[in-house]
Amino acid sequence: EPEVTQTPSHQVTQMGQEVILRCVPISNHLYFYWYRQILGQKVEFLVSFYNNEISEKSEIFDDQFSVERPDGSNFTLKIRSTKLEDSAMYFCASSDSRGLIAEAFFGQGTRLTVV
Amino acid sequence: GIQVEQSPPDLILQEGANSTLRCNFSDSVNNLQWFHQNPWGQLINLFYIPSGTKQNGRLSATTVATERYSLLYISSSQTTDSGVYFCAVSGKAAGNKLTFGGGTRVLVKP
Repeated sequence: EPEVTQTPSHQVTQMGQEVILRCVPISNHLYFYWYRQILGQKVEFLVSFYNNEISEKSEIFDDQFSVERPDGSNFTLKIRSTKLEDSAMYFCASSDSRGLIAEAFFGQGTRLTVV
Repeated sequence: GIQVEQSPPDLILQEGANSTLRCNFSDSVNNLQWFHQNPWGQLINLFYIPSGTKQNGRLSATTVATERYSLLYISSSQTTDSGVYFCAVSGKAAGNKLTFGGGTRVLVKP
């Protein structure tokens, strides 16, 4: 069964460093997303990406964050100058969204710890 | 934006018991999904159910879109059902992004 895969599963980084979280969405999907979940809290939308550009972003997704689809399969989230409060689980998701079906499928997450 | 409220926030069950989790949402939706977050943090798709009723083994879900709520039923609960259950919706006016509820934390005791 097709699935969304994320790497790494766990990343520890020093405050102020840049990190890149990687995702391989389901191959025939057109919409890609990043969400985050701070420990013990609800899952929050960060950004959606369609047709090689950002289609929507939340107020959390400020200039510290960027997304890219560098090739036909990968989708990345870059966090510049990480802060302690960026520690969270980051989820990538993808959906087809053609026609009436818009079910989103999530990767297993990357747990980011900023120290 | 759309608001999503889940109840109860916490649920403790004895193995074999049945339970009902509720999700209320504040506006019309074009997508509603239920997820189970396991102890490793993974979000497992349970149901894509913007309307109607679906069943998958011991789990079933019903969404009454006109009344803006969805229910997730767990029957004959097992310890592996423990975890957090999230409801997430996308509003018809809000593109494809999902707005998550606060979750229901379920603990099934042997």
